[in-house]
Amino acid sequence: GEDVEQSLFLSVREGDSSVINCTYTDSSSTYLYWYKQEPGAGLQLLTYIFSNMDMKQDQRLTVLLNKKDKHLSLRIADTQTGDSAIYFCAVNGGGKLIFGQGTELSVKP
Amino acid sequence: DAGVTQSPTHLIKTRGQQVTLRCSPKSGHDTVSWYQQALGQGPQFIFQYYEEEERQRGNFPDRFSGHQFPNYSSELNVNALLLGDSALYLCASSLRFSSGNNEQFFGPGTRLTVL
Repeated sequence: GEDVEQSLFLSVREGDSSVINCTYTDSSSTYLYWYKQEPGAGLQLLTYIFSNMDMKQDQRLTVLLNKKDKHLSLRIADTQTGDSAIYFCAVNGGGKLIFGQGTELSVKP
Repeated sequence: DAGVTQSPTHLIKTRGQQVTLRCSPKSGHDTVSWYQQALGQGPQFIFQYYEEEERQRGNFPDRFSGHQFPNYSSELNVNALLLGDSALYLCASSLRFSSGNNEQFFGPGTRLTVL
């Protein structure tokens, strides 16, 4: 079945850029998503990209998609302490979402 | 415009008991999906309801069942609770025919603890 992999931890300094990476196995996924989860909270949809796009920019967020390598990344520019959270990559698997295990982003002042 | 709401926020049960969790979708949405998120893991798809019927199901036993009402709200029922059912249960709503983008909006979740 579909598998989505993410690195577990990332630590950056405030003001730096953060890059969170994700790989997936199912090349038929049409939409790919990034969600943010703060402690004790549900998931907040940050952005998504359609599979026929290579890049999508939304304010401080940039999503890059490499379909050949089945690699998705989320870049956060000018990372702030409020960006500290767990970030999930998810792919659309025929109507249901398939999530990675999440990357915990820690932003140090 | 209210987003996705879930109740209760927290629940403590003992092994063997039964539990019912509730979800109201975002206004204008007609599809509800349920996910289980164990501690330190990503959410796992349980099932999805549309037009009051279960349309898709993930790899969960029959102890997990659900229902969708005419107003699109939904319930998740779990029978014969096991310790391993302890998790955050997330409800997500979406619009069935949304030009292919299955954009799902999540509620805050129900934290279930089984003792």
